[in-house]
This record gives sequence, C-alpha cells and structure tokens, in this order.
Amino acid sequence: GNSVTQMEGPVTLSEEAFLTINCTYTATGYPSLFWYVQYPGEGLQLLLKATKADDKGSNKGFEATYRKETTSFHLEKGSVQVSDSAVYFCALTWTGTASKLTFGTGTRLQVTL
Amino acid sequence: DTGVSQDPRHKITKRGQNVTFRCDPISEHNRLYWYRQTLGQGPEFLTYFQNEAQLEKSRLLSDRFSAERPKGSFSTLEIQRTEQGDSAMYLCASSDRGEAFFGQGTRLTVV
Repeated sequence: GNSVTQMEGPVTLSEEAFLTINCTYTATGYPSLFWYVQYPGEGLQLLLKATKADDKGSNKGFEATYRKETTSFHLEKGSVQVSDSAVYFCALTWTGTASKLTFGTGTRLQVTL
Repeated sequence: DTGVSQDPRHKITKRGQNVTFRCDPISEHNRLYWYRQTLGQGPEFLTYFQNEAQLEKSRLLSDRFSAERPKGSFSTLEIQRTEQGDSAMYLCASSDRGEAFFGQGTRLTVV
C-alpha cells in the first residue's frame, strides 16, 4: 500500500546549522507530497508541498524537491533557528482519494542556542 | 474566520463511557476529515465527508465510532463504550479541494 517513511528523531541542532530530514514514500500512481509542521501546543500547519516530479516546494527558508527516481521528498533548511523547534511530518495524497493524507511518524527537531 | 475549531480540547473519561467531540470547519469548506494521532505517531485517517455525505471510513473506525455532519457544516465524532486504547489526539481538518487546514485537536484520555 501507500506509505511514508521518515527518519527518526529527535534531531538536535545548534542555531544556524544545516537541517535535513529524510522522507521516502511508497505509492502507486503520482502522489502529491507535503511537509506539515506542528509547533508545541498548536495544530498541524502545511509548510510546503509539491505536486509532480522535480517540483520544489519552499516556504520560510525550508525546501523540499519531489524526486520520483528515488521516491524521496527530503526537507532542508540552510540555517535553522530556535523558533523552528517543532515536529515535522511528511505526508502524501494520491489521485482518487479525495485528498486524504497519509503521514509519516514525524521527526522532532530541537534547535538550541 | 478563525480556522478549524475543535471542542473540547481535552477530555478525560472512564472506560465504558461514551464521548462526543465537535469540529467546526472553515465555513466555505465542503470537505471535512477526522484523523487520530497517538503518541509518537503521525495522524491516521479515520473518515471523510463531502458536504453532509460520509464518503469514506477507515478500517480503524470500529463499530463503536460514529461520525456525522448533518447539515454539511459542523461534524461530531462519537465513541461509545470507550476503551483505554482509544486514548489519542483526535484531529479534524477541512478543505475546499486544496490545502487541508487542521484544528488543534481533542486529546482524549480514557482511565
């Protein structure tokens, strides 16, 4: 079936460090791919998305590129801030499923001064 | 519009009791989803409405669970005869065919 696999956390980085959170997927057809973020005490928020191969989603300094050949959608940021501390979820939807989302298990990011 | 609202935010109940949660979606959104999230896991799809019609239910949704969206606006999720395994965060989301917007969730603890 369709699934999403994320690297396990927690990921602990110093401020201004480079971030990569790996995400790979298994899906039939051509899914759309998403990164959601959950800040402490808040609901899930869409961070970025890509709907077809080679698309790059970007927002707030975060980027992810839809790689069909490696079935990956890794999240990157060049310089993290303490305010980026949150749980990050990779997710997908696929055609014919009314946009219901399949999520990975989430990766907790902790950024320290 | 202040986004997707869920009520209550927290619920503690004794095993065997019934509980009901409410979700108020963004007003123009015709699609409404329920998800369940347990500790250390990502949200899992439970059910989906388009307007008032419940179009899909996950196998995760046992017979003790029922969801309604009577007028195509707010939705309720009821759990009958709660079990400790029902303890989780219940998330509601709405969309208009585009991005899904999530509420802050209802955290259920069954003791």
